[in-house]
Amino acid sequence: GAGVSQTPSNKVTEKGKYVELRCDPISGHTALYWYRQSLGQGPEFLIYFQGTGAADDSGLPNDRFFAVRPEGSVSTLKIQRTERGDSAVYLCASSLTYSNTDTQYFGPGTRLTVL
Amino acid sequence: GESVGLHLPTLSVQEGDNSIINCAYSNSASDYFIWYKQESGKGPQFIIDIRSNMDKRQGQRVTVLLNKTVKHLSLQIAATQPGDSAVYFCARSGATNKLIFGTGTLLAVQP
Repeated sequence: GAGVSQTPSNKVTEKGKYVELRCDPISGHTALYWYRQSLGQGPEFLIYFQGTGAADDSGLPNDRFFAVRPEGSVSTLKIQRTERGDSAVYLCASSLTYSNTDTQYFGPGTRLTVL
Repeated sequence: GESVGLHLPTLSVQEGDNSIINCAYSNSASDYFIWYKQESGKGPQFIIDIRSNMDKRQGQRVTVLLNKTVKHLSLQIAATQPGDSAVYFCARSGATNKLIFGTGTLLAVQP
Protein backbone atom coordinates (compact mmCIF):
# COMPACT_ATOMS: atom_id res chain seq x y z
CA GLY A 1 0.00 0.00 0.00
CA ALA A 2 0.95 3.65 -0.22
CA GLY A 3 3.33 4.99 2.37
CA VAL A 4 3.67 8.47 3.78
CA SER A 5 4.02 11.04 1.03
CA GLN A 6 5.40 14.57 1.26
CA THR A 7 5.28 17.46 -1.15
CA PRO A 8 7.21 19.16 -2.49
CA SER A 9 10.30 16.98 -2.44
CA ASN A 10 12.47 20.08 -2.71
CA LYS A 11 11.74 23.69 -1.91
CA VAL A 12 14.08 26.60 -2.47
CA THR A 13 13.02 29.95 -1.07
CA GLU A 14 14.48 33.29 -0.15
CA LYS A 15 15.09 34.54 3.35
CA GLY A 16 11.97 36.16 4.75
CA LYS A 17 9.50 34.23 2.59
CA TYR A 18 6.65 31.99 3.77
CA VAL A 19 6.57 28.26 2.96
CA GLU A 20 4.13 25.41 3.39
CA LEU A 21 5.14 21.77 3.48
CA ARG A 22 2.53 19.06 3.04
CA CYS A 23 2.30 15.56 4.49
CA ASP A 24 -0.11 12.78 3.49
CA PRO A 25 0.01 10.04 6.13
CA ILE A 26 -0.72 6.37 5.60
CA SER A 27 -4.46 5.92 5.22
CA GLY A 28 -6.12 5.21 8.55
CA HIS A 29 -3.20 6.35 10.68
CA THR A 30 -4.43 8.51 13.52
CA ALA A 31 -1.12 9.92 14.75
CA LEU A 32 1.10 12.21 12.69
CA TYR A 33 4.54 13.58 13.48
CA TRP A 34 6.87 16.22 12.06
CA TYR A 35 10.63 16.04 12.48
CA ARG A 36 13.50 18.13 11.14
CA GLN A 37 16.83 16.66 10.08
CA SER A 38 19.99 18.65 9.55
CA LEU A 39 22.88 17.27 7.53
CA GLY A 40 24.68 14.50 9.37
CA GLN A 41 22.26 14.52 12.29
CA GLY A 42 19.38 12.40 13.44
CA PRO A 43 15.82 13.70 13.05
CA GLU A 44 14.61 16.12 15.74
CA PHE A 45 11.01 16.15 16.89
CA LEU A 46 8.88 19.18 16.08
CA ILE A 47 5.20 18.39 16.69
CA TYR A 48 2.82 15.46 17.10
CA PHE A 49 -0.90 15.27 16.26
CA GLN A 50 -3.53 12.98 17.68
CA GLY A 51 -6.31 13.31 15.16
CA THR A 52 -6.84 17.01 14.49
CA GLY A 53 -5.22 18.36 17.61
CA ALA A 54 -1.56 18.96 18.41
CA ALA A 55 -0.80 16.70 21.39
CA ASP A 56 2.79 17.90 21.75
CA ASP A 57 4.32 20.91 20.00
CA SER A 58 7.29 21.24 22.32
CA GLY A 59 9.76 20.76 19.48
CA LEU A 60 8.70 23.78 17.42
CA PRO A 61 11.71 26.12 17.62
CA ASN A 62 9.78 29.41 17.74
CA ASP A 63 6.50 31.04 16.78
CA ARG A 64 7.47 31.24 13.09
CA PHE A 65 6.66 27.53 12.88
CA PHE A 66 3.08 26.31 12.87
CA ALA A 67 1.37 23.08 11.80
CA VAL A 68 -2.22 22.09 11.21
CA ARG A 69 -4.17 18.93 10.54
CA PRO A 70 -7.73 20.19 10.09
CA GLU A 71 -9.43 16.93 9.09
CA GLY A 72 -7.22 14.49 10.94
CA SER A 73 -5.44 13.28 7.83
CA VAL A 74 -3.26 15.61 5.73
CA SER A 75 -1.02 17.98 7.66
CA THR A 76 0.70 21.19 6.64
CA LEU A 77 3.79 22.60 8.29
CA LYS A 78 3.98 26.36 7.85
CA ILE A 79 7.09 28.46 8.29
CA GLN A 80 6.88 32.25 8.30
CA ARG A 81 9.73 34.69 7.65
CA THR A 82 12.12 31.88 6.78
CA GLU A 83 15.73 32.14 7.88
CA ARG A 84 18.83 30.45 6.48
CA GLY A 85 18.99 28.35 9.64
CA ASP A 86 15.66 26.77 8.72
CA SER A 87 17.35 24.92 5.87
CA ALA A 88 16.98 21.20 6.56
CA VAL A 89 15.03 18.12 5.53
CA TYR A 90 11.56 18.13 7.05
CA LEU A 91 10.28 14.63 7.71
CA CYS A 92 6.75 13.52 8.37
CA ALA A 93 5.80 10.22 10.01
CA SER A 94 2.55 8.53 10.93
CA SER A 95 1.50 5.68 13.17
CA LEU A 96 -1.68 3.65 13.35
CA THR A 97 -2.52 4.52 16.95
CA TYR A 98 -1.49 6.97 19.65
CA SER A 99 0.50 4.36 21.53
CA ASN A 100 4.11 5.38 22.20
CA THR A 101 5.18 1.88 21.17
CA ASP A 102 3.47 2.03 17.80
CA THR A 103 5.81 2.07 14.80
CA GLN A 104 6.30 5.46 13.19
CA TYR A 105 6.59 5.24 9.40
CA PHE A 106 8.44 8.05 7.71
CA GLY A 107 7.96 9.80 4.41
CA PRO A 108 10.81 10.76 2.07
CA GLY A 109 11.02 14.28 3.43
CA THR A 110 11.00 17.78 1.96
CA ARG A 111 14.41 19.37 1.51
CA LEU A 112 14.04 23.07 2.33
CA THR A 113 16.77 25.46 1.26
CA VAL A 114 16.59 29.07 2.36
CA LEU A 115 18.86 31.36 0.37
CA GLY B 1 18.61 15.49 29.86
CA GLU B 2 17.47 12.95 27.34
CA SER B 3 19.89 11.81 24.70
CA VAL B 4 20.67 8.84 22.56
CA GLY B 5 24.16 8.57 21.14
CA LEU B 6 26.24 6.24 19.08
CA HIS B 7 29.74 4.95 19.79
CA LEU B 8 30.93 4.64 16.18
CA PRO B 9 30.13 7.16 13.48
CA THR B 10 31.40 4.91 10.63
CA LEU B 11 31.56 1.14 10.31
CA SER B 12 33.16 -0.60 7.33
CA VAL B 13 32.58 -4.33 6.86
CA GLN B 14 33.15 -6.95 4.21
CA GLU B 15 30.19 -8.40 2.39
CA GLY B 16 29.07 -11.55 4.15
CA ASP B 17 30.46 -10.56 7.54
CA ASN B 18 28.29 -9.74 10.54
CA SER B 19 27.86 -6.09 11.55
CA ILE B 20 27.31 -4.70 15.02
CA ILE B 21 26.16 -1.13 15.54
CA ASN B 22 26.10 0.24 19.06
CA CYS B 23 24.09 2.90 20.81
CA ALA B 24 24.12 4.34 24.34
CA TYR B 25 21.28 6.17 26.02
CA SER B 26 21.22 8.31 29.10
CA ASN B 27 17.59 8.36 30.24
CA SER B 28 16.55 5.25 32.16
CA ALA B 29 12.87 6.12 31.72
CA SER B 30 13.01 4.89 28.13
CA ASP B 31 10.58 2.06 27.50
CA TYR B 32 10.75 1.57 23.77
CA PHE B 33 13.75 1.51 21.45
CA ILE B 34 13.84 1.42 17.68
CA TRP B 35 16.42 1.02 14.95
CA TYR B 36 15.95 2.85 11.67
CA LYS B 37 17.89 2.59 8.41
CA GLN B 38 18.23 5.66 6.23
CA GLU B 39 19.50 5.56 2.66
CA SER B 40 20.67 8.68 0.91
CA GLY B 41 17.78 10.93 -0.08
CA LYS B 42 15.18 8.81 1.68
CA GLY B 43 13.32 8.91 4.96
CA PRO B 44 14.19 6.60 7.87
CA GLN B 45 12.98 3.05 7.37
CA PHE B 46 11.89 0.97 10.37
CA ILE B 47 14.07 -2.10 10.97
CA ILE B 48 13.28 -3.53 14.38
CA ASP B 49 12.13 -2.44 17.81
CA ILE B 50 12.37 -3.67 21.38
CA ARG B 51 10.52 -2.84 24.57
CA SER B 52 12.30 -2.23 27.84
CA ASN B 53 10.96 -5.46 29.35
CA MET B 54 12.94 -7.47 26.80
CA ASP B 55 16.68 -8.15 26.39
CA LYS B 56 16.73 -9.46 22.85
CA ARG B 57 14.57 -9.50 19.78
CA GLN B 58 15.25 -11.12 16.43
CA GLY B 59 14.04 -10.33 12.96
CA GLN B 60 15.12 -11.42 9.54
CA ARG B 61 18.95 -11.19 9.59
CA VAL B 62 18.77 -8.58 12.37
CA THR B 63 18.92 -8.86 16.13
CA VAL B 64 18.54 -6.08 18.68
CA LEU B 65 20.05 -6.43 22.14
CA LEU B 66 19.13 -4.20 25.07
CA ASN B 67 21.27 -3.98 28.20
CA LYS B 68 19.42 -1.79 30.66
CA THR B 69 22.11 -2.09 33.32
CA VAL B 70 24.63 -0.19 31.22
CA LYS B 71 22.01 1.60 29.09
CA HIS B 72 23.28 0.11 25.86
CA LEU B 73 21.52 -0.94 22.69
CA SER B 74 23.00 -2.80 19.73
CA LEU B 75 21.91 -3.86 16.28
CA GLN B 76 23.41 -6.97 14.78
CA ILE B 77 23.12 -7.63 11.06
CA ALA B 78 23.99 -11.13 9.90
CA ALA B 79 25.67 -11.77 6.54
CA THR B 80 25.85 -8.10 5.66
CA GLN B 81 24.96 -7.31 2.05
CA PRO B 82 25.75 -4.28 -0.15
CA GLY B 83 22.09 -3.27 0.16
CA ASP B 84 22.62 -2.83 3.90
CA SER B 85 24.87 0.17 3.25
CA ALA B 86 23.13 3.14 4.86
CA VAL B 87 23.07 5.29 7.98
CA TYR B 88 21.58 3.53 10.99
CA PHE B 89 19.89 5.42 13.80
CA CYS B 90 18.81 4.24 17.18
CA ALA B 91 15.88 6.06 18.72
CA ARG B 92 13.88 5.93 21.92
CA SER B 93 10.37 6.75 22.93
CA GLY B 94 9.42 7.39 26.53
CA ALA B 95 6.25 8.62 28.15
CA THR B 96 5.54 10.84 25.17
CA ASN B 97 5.33 9.66 21.60
CA LYS B 98 8.17 11.72 20.24
CA LEU B 99 11.21 9.79 19.12
CA ILE B 100 14.64 10.93 20.24
CA PHE B 101 17.31 9.95 17.73
CA GLY B 102 21.05 9.55 17.96
CA THR B 103 23.40 11.03 15.39
CA GLY B 104 23.69 7.85 13.31
CA THR B 105 26.29 5.33 12.18
CA LEU B 106 27.28 5.01 8.55
CA LEU B 107 27.57 1.36 7.56
CA ALA B 108 29.74 0.81 4.48
CA VAL B 109 29.70 -2.70 3.03
CA GLN B 110 32.74 -3.55 0.93
CA PRO B 111 32.21 -6.12 -1.87
